[in-house]
Amino acid sequence: AQTVTQSQPEMSVQEAETVTLSCTYDTSESDYYLFWYKQPPSRQMILVIRQEAYKQQNATENRFSVNFQKAAKSFSLKISDSQLGDAAMYFCAYRSPMEYGNKLVFGAGTILRVKS
Amino acid sequence: KAGVTQTPRYLIKTRGQQVTLSCSPISGHRSVSWYQQTPGQGLQFLFEYFSETQRNKGNFPGRFSGRQFSNSRSEMNVSTLELGDSALYLCASSLSVNRGGARETQYFGPGTRLLVL
Repeated sequence: AQTVTQSQPEMSVQEAETVTLSCTYDTSESDYYLFWYKQPPSRQMILVIRQEAYKQQNATENRFSVNFQKAAKSFSLKISDSQLGDAAMYFCAYRSPMEYGNKLVFGAGTILRVKS
Repeated sequence: KAGVTQTPRYLIKTRGQQVTLSCSPISGHRSVSWYQQTPGQGLQFLFEYFSETQRNKGNFPGRFSGRQFSNSRSEMNVSTLELGDSALYLCASSLSVNRGGARETQYFGPGTRLLVL
């Protein structure tokens, strides 16, 4: 079974600065999907970014980008120009194409605090 | 386009009771998944429905069940509630379950917070 590990329970960043959240995963599959979700205090899970494993190019969405290292099974999230609204719990998630359906396997999450 | 909606948002029950939670997916989405979120266990997959059929199931006891209607709305039922069932229950919808990447991206509702006393 696949596992997702987020080794940083909590991170802090100064407003306007850059922060990187780490995620590693364990899988024997060669093709899969990776996601970062954000969960603010409202508890609404919001998709931040997604990456298909077969794509070598790192995904980017505005201030959010990933560093996908397939061989190392690493999928970190970089947030540039951090804003107060970025404060939230961030979850890394894995989806297997071999298992029927869209089931996501989540990491434990990283709390991101943004200081003004 | 309206997002995923879940009702009720908050619920208090006592041990031994049963509860039904409802989820309405984004219009046009046919797949609905349910997750349980607790401080101790994190986010865990419960089950997924597509075209009114359960397609996948997580490692939860039979007290947890669900169904999906022809309009893709889904309900989740928990019978004989235990204290450990207190959690945030999240519903997520996606277009389909076919291979194709973006069509399978899950969009989450605001959750139902269940407290079992």
